[in-house]
Amino acid sequence: KAGVTQTPRYLIKTRGQQVTLSCSPISGHRSVSWYQQTPGQGLQFLFEYFSETQRNKGNFPGRFSGRQFSNSRSEMNVSTLELGDSALYLCASSAGAARSLHFGNGTRLTVT
Amino acid sequence: AQRVTQPEKLLSVFKGAPVELKCNYSYSGSPELFWYVQYSRQRLQLLLRHISRESIKGFTADLNKGETSFHLKKPFAQEEDSAMYYCALSCHRGDQGAQKLVFGQGTRLTINP
Repeated sequence: KAGVTQTPRYLIKTRGQQVTLSCSPISGHRSVSWYQQTPGQGLQFLFEYFSETQRNKGNFPGRFSGRQFSNSRSEMNVSTLELGDSALYLCASSAGAARSLHFGNGTRLTVT
Repeated sequence: AQRVTQPEKLLSVFKGAPVELKCNYSYSGSPELFWYVQYSRQRLQLLLRHISRESIKGFTADLNKGETSFHLKKPFAQEEDSAMYYCALSCHRGDQGAQKLVFGQGTRLTINP
């Protein structure tokens, strides 16, 4: 099986812009979750989707949003980018009840 | 609040020596704990989870609810064990499979030859 695929791998944006990141889960996995990784805060949970519904949300401002499509692919969007949004964004999928996550390689976002 | 603490940012041991990576958690519910590992230039991947009670690559971890700990151990370290290790706590709600992992800050393990 192909692993979790995230696109693009790298992004450079300027403050105030918005960005969309994409994640394709492992085939058959219906749960997709997103994490932000920074040197200072480590890995922080953003949100989780299952069958196109957001089931859980972390403590991030409303500028961070996401969605999931009927084929389980997911996107996350960050609007009005701030310098502090520079991070590695990781997507993970799971088969659900197993609760162990399979991570993608991440999208590295740099905001200038 | 849920919290995972890995007190050591860096840990360096010699090949063949025992390794213990510490992890303590804070959670009012029934904990489900994991160790994830990230080798150089590879993606974050699951190493083991407490409910499986298995040994992976010689590593074991026992959940101690009294001490709220889930330390990772290996009796004889190998050079290929050098990596970043993250302890994680699953904070799932009552609905089946809703997932949120709380990660520790990670411990960078270096095995010296």
